[in-house]
Parts: sequence; C-alpha cells; structure tokens
Amino acid sequence: KAGVTQTPRYLIKTRGQQVTLSCSPISGHRSVSWYQQTPGQGLQFLFEYFSETQRNKGNFPGRFSGRQFSNSRSEMNVSTLELGDSALYLCASSSTPGLAGGEQFFGPGTRLTVL
Amino acid sequence: QKEVEQNSGPLSVPEGAIASLNCTYSDRGSQSFFWYRQYSGKSPELIMFIYSNGDKEDGRFTAQLNKASQYVSLLIRDSQPSDSATYLCAVSSGSARQLTFGSGTQLTVLP
Repeated sequence: KAGVTQTPRYLIKTRGQQVTLSCSPISGHRSVSWYQQTPGQGLQFLFEYFSETQRNKGNFPGRFSGRQFSNSRSEMNVSTLELGDSALYLCASSSTPGLAGGEQFFGPGTRLTVL
Repeated sequence: QKEVEQNSGPLSVPEGAIASLNCTYSDRGSQSFFWYRQYSGKSPELIMFIYSNGDKEDGRFTAQLNKASQYVSLLIRDSQPSDSATYLCAVSSGSARQLTFGSGTQLTVLP
C-alpha cells in the first residue's frame, strides 16, 4: 500500500506571497492532519480534516488554512508569508479511529523556505 | 496547556546496550501514546503506540505506560547504530487525532 505523499517536496517563496501544499493520504484513510516542524518550536499541530470537514485546529493565525476533497486529498494554504513560516510542513493520515484514537502516518514533508 | 516533556539529550549508549527514553505529560485525560523515530532530514516514523497501563513489546522495542504517574517510556534492547535518531513522544486525548509532541530525545548508539 502506498504511503502518504506530499507535493511539492521543496518550495522557496518570498515574504508576502502565498503557498499551497498538497497531501494525498494512504488509500482508505479519511483523516488528514497537518503539522509544522521548526527547530525552535518542534512539531506543532495545525489542523485536522475528516470527511471534508475541519475537526480540529491548532493555535496558528488565520493565514493558515486548509481543505479536504471528497477523495480525502488535502491542501493547506499559507497566505502573506512571513520569514517565520519557514519550516517543514508534515501531513499525517489515519483511518477512522476507535475510542482510543488512531495511529498517524506521516508523509515526507514539504520544506518551505521564505526569503 | 497540554505539555509533553522529554529529555532532549543527547543520549549516548554503546552498541548492544539498552536505551531508555522517557516522557511525561500534563493532561490526565490523555488516552493514546505514541513513539516516533525521526532520522535527520526525514519525517517521523511510527514505532509503537500504547493505550493501556503496563508494557507493550514489539521486537526490540518496549513501551511502558503509567497513567497514574503520567509517564511513558520506550526501551530499546540490543541497541544498534541504525537506531541513532531523534525519538519523539506524542500524546492524544480521546478520539482526537491531534497529537501533542515532545521536543524529542536525540539518541546516539556508539559502535
């Protein structure tokens, strides 16, 4: 079974621009979560989508948004980029969890550099 | 605010030894606990998960959970140089898929 795929793998943008990142979950997985990883803050939760609905959102400004399509693929968008948005953006997919919560499997990430 | 604490290390152990990685969490409502391994420049890879108090073994890895003490650990037996990586502890509550991660422990296994 193919793993989580993310595109693009690397991206360079300048301040003020916007960017869209894409994630395709493992086949059959309906939940997609997005995380930001930086050396200073570590891995931080951005948001989670399940069945095209945002179910949970982390503590990030409104410049960060996302959506999920009917085929479970997800995109996240960052508008008005700032230098501090430079990070590794990771997507994780999981199947419908049981009461205890489902395991999440990460994609390779998109390395975003803002100049 | 939910917090997950790990010793950042670095932790060095000789090849063949047992590596012990520790994690504490602040939210008593946490129900699911995960250990991820992350090699430099790569994405996190799920090693183990544990939901119930006690030990869970998978090959050379053993996860231990003590909810009363809000403590979860990972033991790696017969450590190999290929185990050298950063180990991330992650916690979630109920059925939520939001994971709260610790800052990670950098492990080096010396040949």
